Parts: sequence; C-alpha cells; structure tokens
Amino acid sequence: GAGVSQSPSNKVTEKGKDVELRCDPISGHTALYWYRQSLGQGLEFLIYFQGNSAPDKSGLPSDRFSAERTGGSVSTLTIQRTQQEDSAVYLCASSLERRGYEQYFGPGTRLTVT
Amino acid sequence: AQSVTQLDSQVPVFEEAPVELRCNYSSSVSVYLFWYVQYPNQGLQLLLKYLSGSTLVKGINGFEAEFNKSQTSFHLRKPSVHISDTAEYFCAVSGWGTALIFGKGTTLSVSS
Repeated sequence: GAGVSQSPSNKVTEKGKDVELRCDPISGHTALYWYRQSLGQGLEFLIYFQGNSAPDKSGLPSDRFSAERTGGSVSTLTIQRTQQEDSAVYLCASSLERRGYEQYFGPGTRLTVT
Repeated sequence: AQSVTQLDSQVPVFEEAPVELRCNYSSSVSVYLFWYVQYPNQGLQLLLKYLSGSTLVKGINGFEAEFNKSQTSFHLRKPSVHISDTAEYFCAVSGWGTALIFGKGTTLSVSS
C-alpha cells in the first residue's frame, strides 16, 4: 500500500519568508510525528500528534514553528520568518496507535533557506 | 530522560568483512530499541527492532542486533558486508507511542 508521502520534496526559500510542509500519513495511522534532520543536530523530534489528543510540542525549537493536523490525517508544518539555521530535511512519520512503536517514515522535504 | 550514544561516527570496512556498529542507550523506563538505515538521498528504513523477548534480533539484509540490558547496549552486526550496505545507520530508542530519540548516526563505508 501507499507509504507516508511528503510535499514538496525540495523547497528553497528566502530568509524571512514563511513555508508550509505537508505530510500525508499512511491511511489509518492515528499517530503522526515530525522530525528534523540537519548536519549539526542530527535527527531531532519536533512534534507528535496522537488521535484527538493535544499534540506534544515539546521538540519545537521556537515559536516560529507550528503544526496542525486536519481531520486526523494530513499534517502541515509551518515555519514563519525562516532563518538560515532552519535549513534541514524535515521528516514525517506515522504509526498505528496499537503498534505505536513502529514508525514509518516519509522521504522528507529538503528545506534550504537562502 | 532517554538518550542514545553511537560510539563511532564513521566505520570503514572492506567488502565481505564483518562489521559491528555500537550503540548505547540510557533510560529510566523500559524501552524499545531500533536500528534505521538511510541510503544516500533516501528516507529512513527500519532495519530491525527490539521490543521484548529474545535479546538477539534479526533484521533485513542480514543484519542482527543484540540487546544487552546490563550494559545498556544494542550493537548492530553483520557477518559479511557488501558494497550496497554503504549508508548511514541510526540507533534509536522510544517508549510506547512516543517519539524516537536518535543517536547521531554512524556512516558505514564499504570498499572493495
């Protein structure tokens, strides 16, 4: 079946602009995670959605970062007033609630802030 | 709090040689342990996982890992590597339904 998809695959933006990154989880997966992969910091957790519960935002690096999940499916990660240090690959993963330990990753969105 | 330490940032080996990628973790609660592989310009792929039961876990592509609770380790091994195993390998830990905490990664370079 279809895996986790993310769009766009690449995004180049100017410093100070806002960007939106999209994640389509595997159908039926109730849990959705955002991670960031950068050269200096490795793989970092950003935010986690589980069903209708309040999201765990503990990994968001600043208030310029936000995310929402509409209808328990698609998620959008928004970065406002982008900075060069936001350049990274943003990864989305999803899992079934009852198998919450198995996360399936999308291909990622490579964000470059110039 | 949970953390993961991958002891080697780069591991160069020759084709058909054995390899071990080392991973240590710390956690105050029971954990699940994972190894992921990332081939160049690709996403993360699950190699294997330890949830409970047998401490020796077998994964895809001939890899295996052993959970050692007393040493808080989860080292990844392969008896004979191929050129195609060249990739970055990440060790990770999580609890039930929680985010993965990753190590910094180990770059495995296999040459002929």
